[in-house]
Amino acid sequence: GAVVSQHPSWVICKSGTSVKIECRSLDFQATTMFWYRQFPKQSLMLMATSNEGSKATYEQGVEKDKFLINHASLTLSTLTVTSAHPEDSSFYICSALPGARANYGYTFGSGTRLTVV
Amino acid sequence: QKEVEQNSGPLSVPEGAIASLNCTYSDRGSQSFFWYRQYSGKSPELIMFIYSNGDKEDGRFTAQLNKASQYVSLLIRDSQPSDSATYLCAVKWVQEYGNKLVFGAGTILRVKS
Repeated sequence: GAVVSQHPSWVICKSGTSVKIECRSLDFQATTMFWYRQFPKQSLMLMATSNEGSKATYEQGVEKDKFLINHASLTLSTLTVTSAHPEDSSFYICSALPGARANYGYTFGSGTRLTVV
Repeated sequence: QKEVEQNSGPLSVPEGAIASLNCTYSDRGSQSFFWYRQYSGKSPELIMFIYSNGDKEDGRFTAQLNKASQYVSLLIRDSQPSDSATYLCAVKWVQEYGNKLVFGAGTILRVKS
Protein backbone atom coordinates (compact mmCIF):
# COMPACT_ATOMS: atom_id res chain seq x y z
CA GLY A 1 0.00 0.00 0.00
CA ALA A 2 0.85 3.72 0.01
CA VAL A 3 2.00 3.97 -3.59
CA VAL A 4 2.74 7.29 -5.25
CA SER A 5 2.99 7.30 -9.02
CA GLN A 6 4.85 10.06 -10.81
CA HIS A 7 4.91 10.77 -14.54
CA PRO A 8 6.82 11.22 -16.68
CA SER A 9 9.96 9.59 -15.37
CA TRP A 10 12.08 11.70 -17.65
CA VAL A 11 11.50 14.53 -20.08
CA ILE A 12 13.62 16.63 -22.40
CA CYS A 13 12.23 19.96 -23.48
CA LYS A 14 13.38 23.02 -25.33
CA SER A 15 14.20 26.20 -23.49
CA GLY A 16 11.14 28.41 -23.17
CA THR A 17 8.57 25.65 -23.21
CA SER A 18 6.50 24.36 -20.28
CA VAL A 19 6.51 20.91 -18.76
CA LYS A 20 3.85 19.30 -16.58
CA ILE A 21 4.67 16.61 -14.05
CA GLU A 22 1.93 14.52 -12.44
CA CYS A 23 1.92 12.95 -9.01
CA ARG A 24 -0.83 10.49 -8.09
CA SER A 25 -1.56 8.63 -4.90
CA LEU A 26 -2.81 5.26 -6.10
CA ASP A 27 -4.27 3.63 -3.01
CA PHE A 28 -4.85 6.43 -0.56
CA GLN A 29 -6.13 9.97 -0.45
CA ALA A 30 -3.54 12.66 -0.02
CA THR A 31 -4.77 16.04 1.12
CA THR A 32 -1.17 17.19 1.17
CA MET A 33 1.61 16.47 -1.27
CA PHE A 34 5.12 17.86 -1.38
CA TRP A 35 7.32 18.75 -4.30
CA TYR A 36 11.09 18.48 -4.04
CA ARG A 37 13.96 19.27 -6.35
CA GLN A 38 17.33 17.58 -6.23
CA PHE A 39 20.42 18.70 -8.08
CA PRO A 40 23.28 16.24 -8.67
CA LYS A 41 25.10 15.21 -5.49
CA GLN A 42 22.85 17.41 -3.38
CA SER A 43 20.04 16.64 -1.00
CA LEU A 44 16.34 17.12 -1.56
CA MET A 45 15.14 20.67 -1.33
CA LEU A 46 11.48 21.26 -0.62
CA MET A 47 9.93 23.53 -3.22
CA ALA A 48 6.32 23.69 -2.12
CA THR A 49 3.52 22.06 -0.22
CA SER A 50 0.52 21.22 -2.34
CA ASN A 51 -2.85 21.37 -0.58
CA GLU A 52 -5.98 19.85 -2.09
CA GLY A 53 -8.49 22.50 -2.97
CA SER A 54 -6.34 25.45 -1.99
CA LYS A 55 -3.24 27.32 -3.02
CA ALA A 56 0.16 25.76 -2.67
CA THR A 57 2.60 27.02 -0.09
CA TYR A 58 5.96 27.81 -1.60
CA GLU A 59 9.31 27.78 0.13
CA GLN A 60 11.37 30.89 0.27
CA GLY A 61 13.16 31.54 -2.98
CA VAL A 62 10.88 29.38 -5.13
CA GLU A 63 9.08 31.34 -7.84
CA LYS A 64 5.39 30.53 -7.64
CA ASP A 65 4.75 31.92 -11.12
CA LYS A 66 7.38 29.67 -12.60
CA PHE A 67 6.49 26.49 -10.74
CA LEU A 68 2.73 26.19 -10.92
CA ILE A 69 1.14 23.65 -8.62
CA ASN A 70 -2.39 22.38 -8.88
CA HIS A 71 -3.94 19.92 -6.43
CA ALA A 72 -7.43 19.55 -7.83
CA SER A 73 -8.29 16.21 -6.27
CA LEU A 74 -7.34 14.06 -3.31
CA THR A 75 -5.21 11.83 -5.50
CA LEU A 76 -3.55 14.15 -7.99
CA SER A 77 -1.13 17.03 -7.79
CA THR A 78 0.64 18.54 -10.78
CA LEU A 79 3.74 20.67 -11.07
CA THR A 80 4.17 22.75 -14.20
CA VAL A 81 7.56 24.25 -14.92
CA THR A 82 6.76 27.26 -17.08
CA SER A 83 9.18 28.80 -19.56
CA ALA A 84 11.80 26.27 -18.62
CA HIS A 85 15.48 27.15 -18.86
CA PRO A 86 18.58 24.97 -18.65
CA GLU A 87 19.08 25.91 -14.99
CA ASP A 88 15.72 24.25 -14.25
CA SER A 89 17.19 20.91 -15.27
CA SER A 90 16.95 18.77 -12.18
CA PHE A 91 15.37 15.74 -10.57
CA TYR A 92 11.87 16.59 -9.38
CA ILE A 93 10.25 14.32 -6.80
CA CYS A 94 6.83 14.40 -5.20
CA SER A 95 5.83 12.83 -1.93
CA ALA A 96 2.65 12.32 0.03
CA LEU A 97 1.67 11.51 3.56
CA PRO A 98 -0.46 8.35 3.51
CA GLY A 99 -2.40 8.95 6.66
CA ALA A 100 -3.58 11.53 9.12
CA ARG A 101 -1.21 10.40 11.85
CA ALA A 102 1.80 12.66 12.11
CA ASN A 103 4.32 9.85 12.41
CA TYR A 104 3.60 7.95 9.24
CA GLY A 105 6.46 7.84 6.79
CA TYR A 106 6.21 9.82 3.64
CA THR A 107 5.99 7.95 0.36
CA PHE A 108 7.90 9.30 -2.61
CA GLY A 109 7.12 9.10 -6.28
CA SER A 110 9.76 7.69 -8.60
CA GLY A 111 10.89 11.15 -9.65
CA THR A 112 11.08 13.03 -12.94
CA ARG A 113 14.39 13.83 -14.57
CA LEU A 114 13.94 17.12 -16.42
CA THR A 115 16.51 18.22 -18.97
CA VAL A 116 16.06 21.57 -20.64
CA VAL A 117 18.10 22.08 -23.80
CA GLN B 1 16.35 28.10 9.72
CA LYS B 2 16.25 24.67 11.31
CA GLU B 3 18.98 22.30 10.23
CA VAL B 4 19.61 18.64 9.86
CA GLU B 5 23.24 17.69 9.63
CA GLN B 6 24.91 14.56 8.38
CA ASN B 7 28.47 13.65 7.56
CA SER B 8 28.60 13.41 3.77
CA GLY B 9 31.04 10.50 3.84
CA PRO B 10 31.70 8.34 2.07
CA LEU B 11 31.54 5.81 4.87
CA SER B 12 33.21 2.61 3.80
CA VAL B 13 32.62 -0.66 5.63
CA PRO B 14 33.47 -4.26 4.74
CA GLU B 15 30.71 -6.68 3.92
CA GLY B 16 29.21 -8.18 7.07
CA ALA B 17 30.22 -5.28 9.30
CA ILE B 18 27.98 -2.82 11.13
CA ALA B 19 27.51 0.54 9.44
CA SER B 20 26.72 3.45 11.74
CA LEU B 21 25.13 6.55 10.27
CA ASN B 22 24.62 9.65 12.33
CA CYS B 23 22.42 12.72 12.18
CA THR B 24 22.05 15.76 14.39
CA TYR B 25 19.32 18.34 14.32
CA SER B 26 19.02 21.79 15.68
CA ASP B 27 15.72 22.02 17.46
CA ARG B 28 14.33 20.38 20.61
CA GLY B 29 10.73 20.73 19.51
CA SER B 30 11.18 18.20 16.70
CA GLN B 31 8.70 15.37 16.58
CA SER B 32 9.47 12.63 14.09
CA PHE B 33 12.62 11.37 12.48
CA PHE B 34 13.02 9.38 9.32
CA TRP B 35 15.75 7.46 7.56
CA TYR B 36 15.58 7.10 3.80
CA ARG B 37 17.83 5.25 1.41
CA GLN B 38 18.46 6.66 -2.05
CA TYR B 39 20.20 4.85 -4.84
CA SER B 40 21.81 6.92 -7.55
CA GLY B 41 19.22 8.29 -9.95
CA LYS B 42 16.31 6.97 -7.89
CA SER B 43 13.90 8.55 -5.45
CA PRO B 44 14.24 7.97 -1.71
CA GLU B 45 12.70 4.94 -0.09
CA LEU B 46 11.71 4.89 3.56
CA ILE B 47 13.74 2.59 5.79
CA MET B 48 12.18 3.46 9.10
CA PHE B 49 10.95 6.23 11.32
CA ILE B 50 11.28 6.85 15.02
CA TYR B 51 9.71 9.36 17.38
CA SER B 52 10.44 8.08 20.87
CA ASN B 53 13.75 8.10 22.67
CA GLY B 54 15.58 4.81 22.53
CA ASP B 55 16.05 2.13 19.90
CA LYS B 56 13.75 0.82 17.23
CA GLU B 57 14.69 -2.31 15.35
CA ASP B 58 13.48 -3.57 11.99
CA GLY B 59 15.38 -6.49 10.55
CA ARG B 60 19.00 -5.49 10.01
CA PHE B 61 18.25 -1.86 10.75
CA THR B 62 18.16 -0.13 14.13
CA ALA B 63 17.28 3.52 14.59
CA GLN B 64 18.39 5.24 17.76
CA LEU B 65 16.99 8.53 19.02
CA ASN B 66 18.30 10.77 21.78
CA LYS B 67 16.22 13.91 21.94
CA ALA B 68 18.23 15.45 24.76
CA SER B 69 21.34 15.31 22.60
CA GLN B 70 19.38 16.06 19.41
CA TYR B 71 20.88 13.00 17.81
CA VAL B 72 19.46 10.21 15.69
CA SER B 73 21.39 7.33 14.20
CA LEU B 74 20.90 4.34 11.96
CA LEU B 75 22.76 1.08 12.42
CA ILE B 76 22.91 -1.45 9.61
CA ARG B 77 23.99 -4.89 10.74
CA ASP B 78 25.54 -7.46 8.42
CA SER B 79 26.09 -4.81 5.76
CA GLN B 80 25.73 -6.00 2.18
CA PRO B 81 27.04 -4.49 -1.05
CA SER B 82 23.41 -3.81 -1.96
CA ASP B 83 23.25 -1.44 1.01
CA SER B 84 25.63 0.89 -0.81
CA ALA B 85 23.60 4.06 -1.29
CA THR B 86 23.05 7.52 0.11
CA TYR B 87 21.24 7.56 3.42
CA LEU B 88 19.11 10.58 4.14
CA CYS B 89 18.06 11.67 7.58
CA ALA B 90 14.85 13.70 7.69
CA VAL B 91 13.11 15.52 10.49
CA LYS B 92 9.58 16.74 10.77
CA TRP B 93 8.81 19.78 12.90
CA VAL B 94 5.07 20.01 13.19
CA GLN B 95 4.85 23.04 15.42
CA GLU B 96 6.22 25.60 13.05
CA TYR B 97 6.33 23.90 9.70
CA GLY B 98 3.26 21.71 9.57
CA ASN B 99 4.03 18.30 8.12
CA LYS B 100 7.08 19.29 6.11
CA LEU B 101 10.14 17.07 6.09
CA VAL B 102 13.56 18.68 6.20
CA PHE B 103 16.37 16.54 4.87
CA GLY B 104 20.01 16.35 5.72
CA ALA B 105 22.55 16.32 2.92
CA GLY B 106 22.90 12.56 3.14
CA THR B 107 25.72 10.15 3.92
CA ILE B 108 27.18 7.99 1.18
CA LEU B 109 27.67 4.42 2.33
CA ARG B 110 29.93 2.01 0.48
CA VAL B 111 29.94 -1.63 1.46
CA LYS B 112 32.94 -3.46 0.05
CA SER B 113 32.78 -7.16 -0.70
